[in-house]
Amino acid sequence: DTGVSQNPRHKITKRGQNVTFRCDPISEHNRLYWYRQTLGQGPEFLTYFQNEAQLEKSRLLSDRFSAERPKGSFSTLEIQRTEQGDSAMYLCASSLRGLETQYFGPGTRLLVL
Amino acid sequence: KQEVTQIPAALSVPEGENLVLNCSFTDSAIYNLQWFRQDPGKGLTSLLLIQSSQREQTSGRLNASLDKSSGRSTLYIAASQPGDSATYLCAGGGSGGYQKVTFGIGTKLQVIP
Repeated sequence: DTGVSQNPRHKITKRGQNVTFRCDPISEHNRLYWYRQTLGQGPEFLTYFQNEAQLEKSRLLSDRFSAERPKGSFSTLEIQRTEQGDSAMYLCASSLRGLETQYFGPGTRLLVL
Repeated sequence: KQEVTQIPAALSVPEGENLVLNCSFTDSAIYNLQWFRQDPGKGLTSLLLIQSSQREQTSGRLNASLDKSSGRSTLYIAASQPGDSATYLCAGGGSGGYQKVTFGIGTKLQVIP
């Protein structure tokens, strides 16, 4: 399978715990994006990488959120001290050269109890 | 700030009917307009991408148009099938030199056999 993959697919955690999600983009894609989607809403942009550089962060990304793409390949999104409001689907997408189609992974569904 | 609106929010049609989904955006300085399909609890599947210099794109039974001057895009689905039932999202891509994509909340389509 050469598509975008995300792990885990589901995560249930207690409030206050830290969680980390992983995204593996399509191998030749140099751009990687994270989005958050809540029920009944469209995805909201969180952050964007070109290779290993994080070029844009949304104001939605509070200090408890951090994203990395250390070698310009896979990316991780960490949420520290989770809150119930963090419950959402976290989507990753990748693209080539940025002006092309974004290809989405299946998402990680987070539930914070 | 880009805002994307989709009308209607939900649509139910009998199988075989042709239908049009509407999308409007506030910032005409977009690089592209992309239509996605999302099945319940799943990630997004790209359907069509229209570059800002293009007027329309076609793929099979789908045709998407873009009118930047009026800030509108439409997705036309011909001869609808029950398998077309899903949420359809449009997204305005990239202003300001980076790839921040703004999504609408989607149109939930049900095609009745």
